[in-house]
Amino acid sequence: NAGVMQNPRHLVRRRGQEARLRCSPMKGHSHVYWYRQLPEEGLKFMVYLQKENIIDESGMPKERFSAEFPKEGPSILRIQQVVRGDSAAYFCASSPEDAYEQYFGPGTRLTVT
Amino acid sequence: GIQVEQSPPDLILQEGANSTLRCNFSDSVNNLQWFHQNPWGQLINLFYIPSGTKQNGRLSATTVATERYSSLYISSSQTTDSGVYFCAVEYDMRFGAGTRLTVKP
Repeated sequence: NAGVMQNPRHLVRRRGQEARLRCSPMKGHSHVYWYRQLPEEGLKFMVYLQKENIIDESGMPKERFSAEFPKEGPSILRIQQVVRGDSAAYFCASSPEDAYEQYFGPGTRLTVT
Repeated sequence: GIQVEQSPPDLILQEGANSTLRCNFSDSVNNLQWFHQNPWGQLINLFYIPSGTKQNGRLSATTVATERYSSLYISSSQTTDSGVYFCAVEYDMRFGAGTRLTVKP
């Protein structure tokens, strides 16, 4: 039973480029969450999605960031026109329909040069 | 929003020692989890424990919801226990700042 999968594991982008981070939830899980971790800090909630719906995006920056979880395929976190301050580890988690417990993926480490 | 505080921020132990990590939260919660972030950055689920006590090997956790705290107890610590321990609450996972544990051989 595969866990939460994220790719790529490492991503390097130049300032102004776009970053696309992918997350495949655990089998049977229909809820996806994205978090950001800056160096030496805890994780910060960004967005909570179900299939084709954004449930809570209160932690998402208002500009340049967007997330989706389509009916088919992985969830995507998209960062447009990246800046150096976007350099961080981005974690995805998933949970089943009827439970709170979240399981985390290995993360994507984004470096903006 | 709910505030989560963890203590101590740093902890250094000799291998074989026991330790207790604390997580205080400012309001009632429906969800509480403990995680271990290893030196490679991976987050490992330890416990889902909104209330009560659970044990898994050398680790155990207790949450007293009415007193708004949870404790993680590590017995006979090993070097592989090193890393950062986080507690997080609610569906949007309000994380504490973590306890950085270093276990020396």
